[in-house]
This record gives sequence, C-alpha cells and structure tokens, in this order.
Amino acid sequence: AQSVTQLGSHVSVSEGALVLLRCNYSSSVPPYLFWYVQYPNQGLQLLLKYTTGATLVKGINGFEAEFKKSETSFHLTKPSAHMSDAAEYFCAGGGYQKVTFGIGTKLQVIP
Amino acid sequence: NAGVTQTPKFRVLKTGQSMTLLCAQDMNHEYMYWYRQDPGMGLRLIHYSVGEGTTAKGEVPDGYNVSRLKKQNFLLGLESAAPSQTSVYFCASSPLGYFSTDTQYFGPGTRLTVL
Repeated sequence: AQSVTQLGSHVSVSEGALVLLRCNYSSSVPPYLFWYVQYPNQGLQLLLKYTTGATLVKGINGFEAEFKKSETSFHLTKPSAHMSDAAEYFCAGGGYQKVTFGIGTKLQVIP
Repeated sequence: NAGVTQTPKFRVLKTGQSMTLLCAQDMNHEYMYWYRQDPGMGLRLIHYSVGEGTTAKGEVPDGYNVSRLKKQNFLLGLESAAPSQTSVYFCASSPLGYFSTDTQYFGPGTRLTVL
C-alpha cells in the first residue's frame, strides 16, 4: 500500500529564503505523488502532481518538486519564500481508488 | 461553476445526537470522498464512492454512514455523535480516480464540535 512520510510538522523560513519541504514515499507499485496546499480555513488545493514522464514537476505559485526514485523522495521546493506562502502543505500518494495523505507541514514565513 | 460545496460550515452537537453533512459537486465527477482532518494526523479517509449508488469504506469508517443517491451529492451521516468525532470534515471529488492520478477538488470544510 502507498504511504507517505513528511519530515517536519513545522518549518520556518525567512522571506526570500529557499523553501524545502520533505516527503518520502513507500510503495510496491509505481507512485503517483501530489503536493496540496491548505490556506487557513480553506480546503486543500493542488500545487502539483507527478504521474509519469519528467521527474521535475512544476506547479503553481513558483513551487516545484522532483521525483527521485533512488531516494523514494518527492521534496517540494521554492527558490524564494513569500509571505503569502504561509500555509499547511500536504504530500500525498496515489493508490487504487484512493489517495493517502501525509500529516502535513506548516510553513511559517518570517518577515 | 461552484465546484465542491459543503453544508453546513459549522455545527455543534451534543453527544448522542445525529446529523447529516451534505456535499455537492457540479463538475460531473465520478469519485467522491469524505475525509476528516485532525491536528497532527493529516487527512484520513472515512468513506468514498466510485459512482452513483456505490459507497466503500475508507481508513476510519466506524461511526459514520454515507449515501450517494445522486451523482452530484455525497452525504455523510453521524447516527450517534461522540466527542471523538469532533473534527473538520472535508469532501472532495475527482473525475475518474483509477490509480488516483486525478486531482482531487476539495470543499471548504465543515467544522464539527461534539460536546
């Protein structure tokens, strides 16, 4: 069964600094991986997803993630953090008929 | 398009009371899901549906029932609410769902408190 692990439930970065949110997966089948973002008091929305093809996936708001099979990782990055990036980020892994979510990482951006 | 809507947005129940949460989507999606979100636990799947008239259990189905009589609606019922069901409930839908490569579209959530 697909499972995902997010390392770090809280991450703080300074405005303008690199954002790195970590996600590792485990699966016996080809992985389908997602990053979702949740702004306060809202539902989740898709940032980006990997299904097949190019391993570097670009998403909305300047975020990108790289699928690394050898490391079973799908870390989310953004070169320069903006105050509006403060939110909770969820990594998720796709399996048959359902998706398994990680516990989430809250990103704090310090002015 | 309204996307995915949830009714109500907030609700307070007493232990033992019952209620139904309504989810509606106007995107003609086949798959619909109910999740609960609790601090430190992420989203956990309660029940899901792969089409009109079908339902299936997810990770944490106990204490909940669901129905999908119409393709656009997915109802979540609590027959006898317990304090452990205090949570934020999210509904989501996706076009196909096979191997879950599809994007899920989420509603705004329902914040439920059980006293």
